[in-house]
Amino acid sequence: AQRVTQPEKLLSVFKGAPVELKCNYSYSGSPELFWYVQYSRQRLQLLLRHISRESIKGFTADLNKGETSFHLKKPFAQEEDSAMYYCALSGDGGNNDMRFGAGTRLTVKP
Amino acid sequence: SQTIHQWPATLVQPVGSPLSLECTVEGTSNPNLYWYRQAAGRGLQLLFYSVGIGQISSEVPQNLSASRPQDRQFILSSKKLLLSDSGFYLCACGRGSSGNTIYFGEGSWLTVV
Repeated sequence: AQRVTQPEKLLSVFKGAPVELKCNYSYSGSPELFWYVQYSRQRLQLLLRHISRESIKGFTADLNKGETSFHLKKPFAQEEDSAMYYCALSGDGGNNDMRFGAGTRLTVKP
Repeated sequence: SQTIHQWPATLVQPVGSPLSLECTVEGTSNPNLYWYRQAAGRGLQLLFYSVGIGQISSEVPQNLSASRPQDRQFILSSKKLLLSDSGFYLCACGRGSSGNTIYFGEGSWLTVV
Protein backbone atom coordinates (compact mmCIF):
# COMPACT_ATOMS: atom_id res chain seq x y z
CA ALA A 1 0.00 0.00 0.00
CA GLN A 2 1.16 3.50 -0.67
CA ARG A 3 2.06 5.75 2.19
CA VAL A 4 3.28 9.31 2.55
CA THR A 5 5.16 10.48 5.62
CA GLN A 6 5.84 14.05 6.60
CA PRO A 7 7.88 13.78 9.78
CA GLU A 8 7.53 17.41 10.82
CA LYS A 9 4.15 18.72 11.91
CA LEU A 10 5.53 22.18 12.54
CA LEU A 11 8.45 24.03 11.01
CA SER A 12 9.52 27.54 11.83
CA VAL A 13 12.21 29.55 10.07
CA PHE A 14 13.20 33.18 9.81
CA LYS A 15 12.62 35.23 6.70
CA GLY A 16 15.47 34.79 4.26
CA ALA A 17 16.56 31.46 5.68
CA PRO A 18 16.48 28.27 3.62
CA VAL A 19 13.59 25.93 4.22
CA GLU A 20 13.15 22.23 3.56
CA LEU A 21 9.92 20.36 4.16
CA LYS A 22 10.52 16.64 4.27
CA CYS A 23 8.43 14.01 2.56
CA ASN A 24 9.10 10.30 2.34
CA TYR A 25 6.95 7.75 0.64
CA SER A 26 6.52 4.05 0.22
CA TYR A 27 5.17 2.59 -2.98
CA SER A 28 6.14 -0.47 -4.93
CA GLY A 29 5.47 0.93 -8.39
CA SER A 30 6.25 4.20 -10.12
CA PRO A 31 4.62 6.97 -8.14
CA GLU A 32 3.79 10.50 -9.01
CA LEU A 33 4.51 12.97 -6.27
CA PHE A 34 2.89 16.32 -5.56
CA TRP A 35 3.08 19.15 -3.10
CA TYR A 36 -0.12 20.94 -2.14
CA VAL A 37 -0.36 24.14 -0.13
CA GLN A 38 -3.13 25.69 1.91
CA TYR A 39 -2.75 29.35 2.79
CA SER A 40 -4.83 30.84 5.56
CA ARG A 41 -8.50 31.03 4.58
CA GLN A 42 -7.85 29.62 1.12
CA ARG A 43 -8.59 26.29 -0.42
CA LEU A 44 -6.03 23.58 -0.77
CA GLN A 45 -4.20 23.97 -4.07
CA LEU A 46 -1.46 22.36 -6.07
CA LEU A 47 1.99 23.84 -5.59
CA LEU A 48 4.05 21.60 -7.83
CA ARG A 49 4.42 18.06 -9.12
CA HIS A 50 7.55 16.12 -9.82
CA ILE A 51 6.82 15.31 -13.44
CA SER A 52 6.80 18.99 -14.32
CA ARG A 53 10.23 19.62 -12.81
CA GLU A 54 9.20 23.20 -12.28
CA SER A 55 9.88 25.88 -9.71
CA ILE A 56 6.81 27.55 -8.27
CA LYS A 57 7.09 30.58 -5.99
CA GLY A 58 10.76 29.71 -5.59
CA PHE A 59 10.02 26.18 -4.38
CA THR A 60 11.52 23.08 -5.94
CA ALA A 61 11.24 19.41 -5.17
CA ASP A 62 13.26 16.55 -6.56
CA LEU A 63 12.07 12.99 -6.56
CA ASN A 64 14.78 10.75 -5.11
CA LYS A 65 13.76 7.20 -5.83
CA GLY A 66 16.76 5.77 -3.99
CA GLU A 67 15.79 7.50 -0.77
CA THR A 68 12.07 7.46 -1.61
CA SER A 69 11.87 11.13 -0.81
CA PHE A 70 10.34 14.24 -2.33
CA HIS A 71 11.50 17.07 -0.12
CA LEU A 72 10.29 20.60 -0.81
CA LYS A 73 12.95 23.28 -0.74
CA LYS A 74 13.28 27.01 -1.01
CA PRO A 75 16.57 28.84 -0.60
CA PHE A 76 15.14 32.04 0.90
CA ALA A 77 11.85 31.80 2.77
CA GLN A 78 9.36 34.65 2.70
CA GLU A 79 6.67 35.50 5.22
CA GLU A 80 3.98 34.81 2.64
CA ASP A 81 5.21 31.22 2.44
CA SER A 82 3.64 30.56 5.83
CA ALA A 83 1.03 27.90 5.19
CA MET A 84 0.13 24.25 5.56
CA TYR A 85 1.98 22.01 3.12
CA TYR A 86 0.92 18.53 2.12
CA CYS A 87 2.92 15.98 0.21
CA ALA A 88 0.83 13.63 -1.92
CA LEU A 89 1.36 10.47 -3.94
CA SER A 90 -0.55 9.02 -6.82
CA GLY A 91 0.07 5.45 -7.84
CA ASP A 92 0.37 3.77 -11.21
CA GLY A 93 -3.34 3.95 -11.82
CA GLY A 94 -3.46 7.71 -12.02
CA ASN A 95 -5.00 9.71 -9.24
CA ASN A 96 -7.82 7.36 -8.41
CA ASP A 97 -6.37 7.07 -4.96
CA MET A 98 -4.29 10.13 -4.22
CA ARG A 99 -2.77 9.79 -0.77
CA PHE A 100 -1.66 12.68 1.38
CA GLY A 101 0.78 13.06 4.22
CA ALA A 102 -0.17 14.50 7.57
CA GLY A 103 1.01 17.93 6.54
CA THR A 104 3.61 20.38 7.80
CA ARG A 105 2.70 23.82 9.03
CA LEU A 106 5.40 26.24 7.97
CA THR A 107 5.77 29.54 9.80
CA VAL A 108 8.17 32.12 8.45
CA LYS A 109 9.03 34.69 11.06
CA PRO A 110 10.06 38.26 10.20
CA SER B 1 -10.28 24.56 -15.64
CA GLN B 2 -12.43 22.82 -13.10
CA THR B 3 -14.52 24.68 -10.57
CA ILE B 4 -15.74 22.85 -7.51
CA HIS B 5 -18.74 23.99 -5.54
CA GLN B 6 -19.21 22.51 -2.11
CA TRP B 7 -21.95 23.27 0.42
CA PRO B 8 -22.86 24.00 3.05
CA ALA B 9 -19.67 25.70 4.18
CA THR B 10 -20.50 25.16 7.84
CA LEU B 11 -22.96 22.89 9.51
CA VAL B 12 -23.89 22.18 13.12
CA GLN B 13 -25.90 19.03 13.60
CA PRO B 14 -27.07 17.10 16.65
CA VAL B 15 -25.92 13.56 17.28
CA GLY B 16 -28.15 11.09 15.55
CA SER B 17 -29.31 13.48 12.85
CA PRO B 18 -28.74 12.84 9.13
CA LEU B 19 -26.10 14.52 7.01
CA SER B 20 -25.87 15.56 3.41
CA LEU B 21 -22.89 17.44 2.00
CA GLU B 22 -23.05 18.20 -1.68
CA CYS B 23 -20.36 18.80 -4.24
CA THR B 24 -20.73 19.75 -7.87
CA VAL B 25 -18.08 20.24 -10.49
CA GLU B 26 -17.97 22.49 -13.53
CA GLY B 27 -15.58 22.67 -16.43
CA THR B 28 -14.86 19.01 -16.91
CA SER B 29 -16.62 15.80 -17.79
CA ASN B 30 -16.28 12.32 -16.36
CA PRO B 31 -13.99 13.42 -13.53
CA ASN B 32 -12.78 11.33 -10.65
CA LEU B 33 -14.41 12.67 -7.52
CA TYR B 34 -13.19 12.43 -3.94
CA TRP B 35 -14.24 13.10 -0.39
CA TYR B 36 -11.46 13.78 2.09
CA ARG B 37 -11.53 14.57 5.76
CA GLN B 38 -8.91 16.96 7.08
CA ALA B 39 -8.01 16.50 10.72
CA ALA B 40 -5.30 18.20 12.72
CA GLY B 41 -2.20 16.04 12.91
CA ARG B 42 -3.69 13.40 10.64
CA GLY B 43 -3.55 15.17 7.34
CA LEU B 44 -6.00 14.43 4.60
CA GLN B 45 -7.79 11.14 4.94
CA LEU B 46 -9.34 9.76 1.79
CA LEU B 47 -12.90 8.66 2.57
CA PHE B 48 -14.43 7.88 -0.81
CA TYR B 49 -13.58 8.16 -4.46
CA SER B 50 -15.63 7.68 -7.57
CA VAL B 51 -14.55 7.08 -11.16
CA GLY B 52 -18.05 7.30 -12.61
CA ILE B 53 -21.77 7.56 -11.98
CA GLY B 54 -22.84 5.08 -9.34
CA GLN B 55 -19.28 3.86 -8.78
CA ILE B 56 -18.09 4.45 -5.25
CA SER B 57 -15.01 3.12 -3.51
CA SER B 58 -14.78 3.38 0.23
CA GLU B 59 -11.40 3.68 1.84
CA VAL B 60 -12.24 3.36 5.50
CA PRO B 61 -15.14 1.82 7.39
CA GLN B 62 -17.17 4.54 8.96
CA ASN B 63 -20.51 6.02 9.62
CA LEU B 64 -20.57 7.83 6.29
CA SER B 65 -21.59 6.95 2.76
CA ALA B 66 -21.19 8.58 -0.63
CA SER B 67 -23.24 8.67 -3.78
CA ARG B 68 -22.77 9.94 -7.30
CA PRO B 69 -26.16 10.38 -8.92
CA GLN B 70 -24.82 12.47 -11.80
CA ASP B 71 -21.49 12.76 -13.57
CA ARG B 72 -20.50 15.95 -11.79
CA GLN B 73 -22.29 15.55 -8.49
CA PHE B 74 -20.91 13.84 -5.42
CA ILE B 75 -22.75 13.61 -2.13
CA LEU B 76 -21.50 12.65 1.32
CA SER B 77 -24.17 11.35 3.65
CA SER B 78 -24.89 9.84 6.98
CA LYS B 79 -28.10 8.46 8.41
CA LYS B 80 -27.11 9.11 12.01
CA LEU B 81 -24.21 11.36 12.88
CA LEU B 82 -21.75 10.58 15.64
CA LEU B 83 -19.70 13.05 17.61
CA SER B 84 -16.60 11.62 15.95
CA ASP B 85 -17.92 12.68 12.54
CA SER B 86 -17.08 16.28 13.35
CA GLY B 87 -14.39 17.64 11.10
CA PHE B 88 -13.51 19.45 7.91
CA TYR B 89 -14.61 17.71 4.75
CA LEU B 90 -13.14 18.41 1.36
CA CYS B 91 -14.51 17.49 -2.03
CA ALA B 92 -12.00 17.17 -4.84
CA CYS B 93 -11.92 16.25 -8.49
CA GLY B 94 -9.31 15.03 -10.89
CA ARG B 95 -8.89 13.03 -14.04
CA GLY B 96 -7.95 9.37 -14.19
CA SER B 97 -4.99 9.71 -16.50
CA SER B 98 -1.54 9.83 -15.05
CA GLY B 99 0.01 13.17 -14.32
CA ASN B 100 -3.14 15.15 -13.67
CA THR B 101 -3.74 17.00 -10.48
CA ILE B 102 -6.55 17.11 -8.01
CA TYR B 103 -8.54 20.26 -7.43
CA PHE B 104 -10.25 20.94 -4.14
CA GLY B 105 -13.41 22.63 -3.04
CA GLU B 106 -13.43 25.11 -0.21
CA GLY B 107 -14.49 22.55 2.32
CA SER B 108 -17.31 22.08 4.79
CA TRP B 109 -16.97 22.39 8.55
CA LEU B 110 -19.18 19.89 10.30
CA THR B 111 -19.72 20.10 14.04
CA VAL B 112 -21.76 17.38 15.65
CA VAL B 113 -23.14 18.41 19.04
